[in-house]
Amino acid sequence: EAQVTQNPRYLITVTGKKLTVTCSQNMNHEYMSWYRQDPGLGLRQIYYSMNVEVTDKGDVPEGYKVSRKEKRNFPLILESPSPNQTSLYFCASRGLAGGDNEQFFGPGTRLTVL
Amino acid sequence: GENVEQHPSTLSVQEGDSAVIKCTYSDSASNYFPWYKQELGKRPQLIIDIRSNVGEKKDQRIAVTLNKTAKHFSLHITETQPEDSAVYFCAASSDQAGTALIFGKGTTLSVSS
Repeated sequence: EAQVTQNPRYLITVTGKKLTVTCSQNMNHEYMSWYRQDPGLGLRQIYYSMNVEVTDKGDVPEGYKVSRKEKRNFPLILESPSPNQTSLYFCASRGLAGGDNEQFFGPGTRLTVL
Repeated sequence: GENVEQHPSTLSVQEGDSAVIKCTYSDSASNYFPWYKQELGKRPQLIIDIRSNVGEKKDQRIAVTLNKTAKHFSLHITETQPEDSAVYFCAASSDQAGTALIFGKGTTLSVSS
């Protein structure tokens, strides 16, 4: 089954404790992206990657890091989480070939930073 | 950079009525406009999209219209059903591949029976 997976789905942590949210897709997609969703603010892009070893900042990159060592994986790293990073996080992927534009979203990771 | 405004933020309709959600964008170079539906506790899912070389696109009860001159696009849902209740997001992208999406803040649609 074609899908985007994220882990963990729920995480409660404390300020300053480094964490990683994993994202994996099995559709051989070149493009992957991370969004955060906050009430009243919609979805805002954190980082994206057009292919292996190619990453770029989105609208709200501060406090986040990403890496793209393999095509299928795009982990989101919070080196020193703060309470303002409490949010719902979505990973997404899409292919870049042809006219297919749909971004497929993962199930989301609800992060709480105390 | 691109900015997408979405209205209304909430919309309540009776089953069978039509619903219209409107978005405006700022970057005239934007060329790809998808609409996503997010049910409670679920991930966003694409329901319809349109490219800038098309003025209207329809898929059963859902249609999207685009006015490039005025820089706005709209989602139209006809014969609404309770299962249409969800949050709807519009988005715009100005890069050729349609990757860097800028989303509107969302519209919560409630359809009562």
